[in-house]
Amino acid sequence: AQRVTQPEKLLSVFKGAPVELKCNYSYSGSPELFWYVQYSRQRLQLLLRHISRESIKGFTADLNKGETSFHLKKPFAQEEDSAMYYCALSGNNQGGKLIFGQGTELSVKP
Amino acid sequence: DAGITQSPRHKVTETGTPVTLRCHQTENHRYMYWYRQDPGHGLRLIHYSYGVKDTDKGEVSDGYSVSRSKTEDFLLTLESATSSQTSVYFCAIRGRGNTGELFFGEGSRLTVL
Repeated sequence: AQRVTQPEKLLSVFKGAPVELKCNYSYSGSPELFWYVQYSRQRLQLLLRHISRESIKGFTADLNKGETSFHLKKPFAQEEDSAMYYCALSGNNQGGKLIFGQGTELSVKP
Repeated sequence: DAGITQSPRHKVTETGTPVTLRCHQTENHRYMYWYRQDPGHGLRLIHYSYGVKDTDKGEVSDGYSVSRSKTEDFLLTLESATSSQTSVYFCAIRGRGNTGELFFGEGSRLTVL
C-alpha cells in the first residue's frame, strides 16, 4: 500500500536555525515525491519535486530510496517560512493521484 | 491559480441536509480531484475524475458522490451531511505535461452542525 508519513505535527525553531522536516514513504515501485506548502490563508502550492532536484526558497530535499525518505531541509530558517508543509507521493497509478502525509506545521520564531 | 474556483467558499449546514460543492476550471484540464483536509490527517482523496463522466473513488469516498457532466465542472455532493464531514474541501487539477504537479483551489470550509 502507498503511504506517506510525516512524524512531526509541529516543528518550532528560531530564525536562522537549520530546519529538517521529515517524510517517509511506503511504495513498492519508483515513486515521484513532492513537497507542498500552505501559507496562512493561501492555497496549497508546490514547493519542490524530487525529479527536478532544485532548490526553492532555500529548501532542498533528497530522495533516499534505501531509507525510503524525502526529508525537506533548509540551513537557515526565516520567519516567512512559517507554514504547513505536506509531503506527497505519486505512484504509477491511473489518474495521477497524490497521496499526502499528515502535514507538519513549521513555526519560525524571531 | 490555474483558473480554479470553488464555491461556496464557506457553508454552514445541519445534519441530514444535502450539500453540493462546485469546482470550476477554465483551462480544459482532464484530471480533477476532491480532497478533504483535516488536522492530523493531512489531505485525503475523496474522488477524482479523468474525463467527462469518468470518475473513481479515493480513500475516503463513503458518504460522497461526484459528477462531471462537462470538462470545466466537478461537483462533490454530500447526500446527507454528517458532523464527521465538517472539513475543508479542496479541489485540484493536474497540470499539463508530465510534471505530476497538482494545482489547488482556495478551499471550501464546510461546517455540519
